[in-house]
Amino acid sequence: ELKVEQNPLFLSMQEGKNYTIYCNYSTTSDRLYWYRQDPGKSLESLFVLLSNGAVKQEGRLMASLDTKARLSTLHITAAVHDLSATYFCAARSGGGADGLTFGKGTHLIIQP
Amino acid sequence: NAGVMQNPRHLVRRRGQEARLRCSPMKGHSHVYWYRQLPEEGLKFMVYLQKENIIDESGMPKERFSAEFPKEGPSILRIQQVVRGDSAAYFCASSPFEKNEQYFGPGTRLTVT
Repeated sequence: ELKVEQNPLFLSMQEGKNYTIYCNYSTTSDRLYWYRQDPGKSLESLFVLLSNGAVKQEGRLMASLDTKARLSTLHITAAVHDLSATYFCAARSGGGADGLTFGKGTHLIIQP
Repeated sequence: NAGVMQNPRHLVRRRGQEARLRCSPMKGHSHVYWYRQLPEEGLKFMVYLQKENIIDESGMPKERFSAEFPKEGPSILRIQQVVRGDSAAYFCASSPFEKNEQYFGPGTRLTVT
């Protein structure tokens, strides 16, 4: 059974700082997703990572995937207040199962 | 192209009543997924449907919950005889193909009193 663990679950940081959110998954996954969720809102897709060594960047966010270590990271560079949200990673086990397995989320607060 | 639509956005039911949640996928999408999110938790997969077929219901509780995606009309998640523990946000996602990116709707927040 695929399990996804994120850490930290809660992160408070100051504007301008850098930080990394980690996402470990337990069994082989054929793709890894990162989503953002604002309070009371739906999930916004940030990145889809398909292969080992994949790196994607959008603005101050960069995601990477190491399939051998079963690890994905979401790196935040020079954080700004607008990035405050909950970030989820999700993996798909592949094969016949198409549902995603989510981590518990990282609640990120960026203080001015 | 409108996104995934869900209604109602908020639903209040008393214990023992039935809840019906609707999901209209994006235009051209024939794959629908339902997820449940409890407070302060990640989303949990419930069921995956294609038109008129349930493909994977491994995350559905064995009793009181059912889902359908008819040839015409929205996908429906039905919860019979609701209990307080059913209070959660229920999200629907759709994709155009199997193994493709899933696009999420705004969710239905169910409160059982």
